[in-house]
Amino acid sequence: AQKVTQAQTEISVVEKEDVTLDCVYETRDTTYYLFWYKQPPSGELVFLIRRNSFDEQNEISGRYSWNFQKSTSSFNFTITASQVVDSAVYFCALSELTGGGNKLTFGTGTQLKVEL
Amino acid sequence: KAGVTQTPRYLIKTRGQQVTLSCSPISGHRSVSWYQQTPGQGLQFLFEYFSETQRNKGNFPGRFSGRQFSNSRSEMNVSTLELGDSALYLCASSLGGGLSGANVLTFGAGSRLTVL
Repeated sequence: AQKVTQAQTEISVVEKEDVTLDCVYETRDTTYYLFWYKQPPSGELVFLIRRNSFDEQNEISGRYSWNFQKSTSSFNFTITASQVVDSAVYFCALSELTGGGNKLTFGTGTQLKVEL
Repeated sequence: KAGVTQTPRYLIKTRGQQVTLSCSPISGHRSVSWYQQTPGQGLQFLFEYFSETQRNKGNFPGRFSGRQFSNSRSEMNVSTLELGDSALYLCASSLGGGLSGANVLTFGAGSRLTVL
């Protein structure tokens, strides 16, 4: 069975610091997709990024960057120059193609608090 | 473009009652998934519907059921409510076709159920 581990329960940083959120996954499939979602206090999960198992290129989007390393089964997320608006719970998730349909296995989430 | 709409946003029920939650997906999305979020268990997959058929199901008791209508709107029902059913119930929609596991899910703001 698939599993996603986010070992960091809560991280507190001061604004403008860089912060990395860790994600380690387990799956027996060779084809799968990884996602990051952000959940602000309003409760709605907001999609951030999707990466397939064959694409190990790192990605940068503004202050956000993602490091996918298949060899260590990790998909880490870095926020550069954090801002107070980045405060939220961040979830890493895994979707497998076998079995069909949309079924995400989520990690337990990392609560990020960015303070002034 | 309207997002995923869930109703009601908040509700309070007592043990033994039943509840029905509604989800209207993004126009054109044919897949609707439901997730339960609790502090103890995190985000857990309930089920997914695609073109009015249940395509995937999580490990929840039969008290949890759902359906999808021809306009893709979905409802989930929980019968004989227990205290442990108190949770945020999130609905997500996606296009649903093709490599379905690759689909990006767009989430609604959730229905927060409290069971007394």
